[in-house]
Amino acid sequence: AQTVTQSQPEMSVQEAETVTLSCTYDTSESDYYLFWYKQPPSRQMILVIRQEAYKQQNATENRFSVNFQKAAKSFSLKISDSQLGDAAMYFCAYRRAGNNRKLIWGLGTSLAVNP
Amino acid sequence: EPEVTQTPSHQVTQMGQEVILRCVPISNHLYFYWYRQILGQKVEFLVSFYNNEISEKSEIFDDQFSVERPDGSNFTLKIRSTKLEDSAMYFCASTKRGLAGNMNTGELFFGEGSRLTVL
Repeated sequence: AQTVTQSQPEMSVQEAETVTLSCTYDTSESDYYLFWYKQPPSRQMILVIRQEAYKQQNATENRFSVNFQKAAKSFSLKISDSQLGDAAMYFCAYRRAGNNRKLIWGLGTSLAVNP
Repeated sequence: EPEVTQTPSHQVTQMGQEVILRCVPISNHLYFYWYRQILGQKVEFLVSFYNNEISEKSEIFDDQFSVERPDGSNFTLKIRSTKLEDSAMYFCASTKRGLAGNMNTGELFFGEGSRLTVL
């Protein structure tokens, strides 16, 4: 069975600094997707970034980038130039490729951004 | 930009009462999901739905739960007799079929959630 592990329940970062959130996963599949979702206090689940397993290049979205290590089954999220609005719960999630596949979630990392 | 909408945003109910949570997925999406998140815990998969039938359900999704798509736009989750442990945030999500037919972009689009409090 696939699992997702986030080993950092809480993290903090100074505004304008860089922080990296860790995620590891376990799967026997070769084709899958990995996601980072942000959940602010409003509780809505917002997609931050997505990585397709077949792509070697790490995904980037503005200040957000990932370090995808397929062999090590590691998928960390780097937030550069952190802003106060980045404070939220961050969830790592895995999904097998193909239609109608469920997301498997990590426990989340609560990120605080200090002014 | 199209989005998934959920109602109500918050519902308080007495134990044993029936609750219906409603979702309007994005109009061209074909796959629908319900997830729940008990406060402070991880997000849990409940059920997936495609072509008017359940595709997969978790152990949580027992006989007290049901889903339907009554009119081609709404996607509802019904809890027949609520228990205290059903108190949670319930998220609806949808996704579309990929261009290749068997693959999609992988992304699920989530609604803002419905908070259910069972007293």
